[in-house]
Amino acid sequence: EVQLVESGGGLVQPGGSLRLSCAASGFTFSDHYMDWFRQAPGRGPEWVGRIRNKANSATTEYAASVKGRFTISRDDSKNSLYLQMNSLKTDDTAVYYCARKTIPTHGSDLWGQGTLVTVSS
Amino acid sequence: DIQLTQSPSFLSASVGDRVTITCRASQGISSSLAWYQQKPGRAPKLLIYTASTLQSGVPSRFSGSGSGTEFTLTISSLQPEDFATYYCQQLNSYPRTFGGGTKVEIK
Repeated sequence: EVQLVESGGGLVQPGGSLRLSCAASGFTFSDHYMDWFRQAPGRGPEWVGRIRNKANSATTEYAASVKGRFTISRDDSKNSLYLQMNSLKTDDTAVYYCARKTIPTHGSDLWGQGTLVTVSS
Repeated sequence: DIQLTQSPSFLSASVGDRVTITCRASQGISSSLAWYQQKPGRAPKLLIYTASTLQSGVPSRFSGSGSGTEFTLTISSLQPEDFATYYCQQLNSYPRTFGGGTKVEIK
């Protein structure tokens, strides 16, 4: 089955760290760019960042709101995507989604179910 | 950053109605626009990309048009399963940004 499954969410105190994972199956993960999105309660989706495929040097892009605090990485041998989140703020509270890009400018055609991150003391 | 303004933010309609949602970009983005549908508790679902191309498996009652700064999503005959929130997203430049959403509810 073609799917993405996020894990690693939970409750963390402000200033803390968390690492999210996204396990891909049913398709050739290494071919694809991958994005992270988040959605705060009652709000619309927000793009967090992107990692390109190895053919494009696995380079990354980030939203200004997370740049310098969050790091996206991938392990193609494990069909996995990661989001390392440091210096977390209460504003980072959201459901985090990983999503696949088949063509970089065509929208994200496969999404995971999301994992909830709550930043609170 | 490119700002996307959706209108209306809320829409009340009946089954069978024709519905049109507009997305305006703060600067030209060519045809680099996608539309998503989201239901409560679910991830967004890609409906349309490059402004007017229907994603595989999406019913043909959905259509998109526009280029530059003005775009529309049209549902030709609203079905019960279409009651949801719709978002546009620009893919022209970083950061990728979304519109504020249009919630379509049953009249």
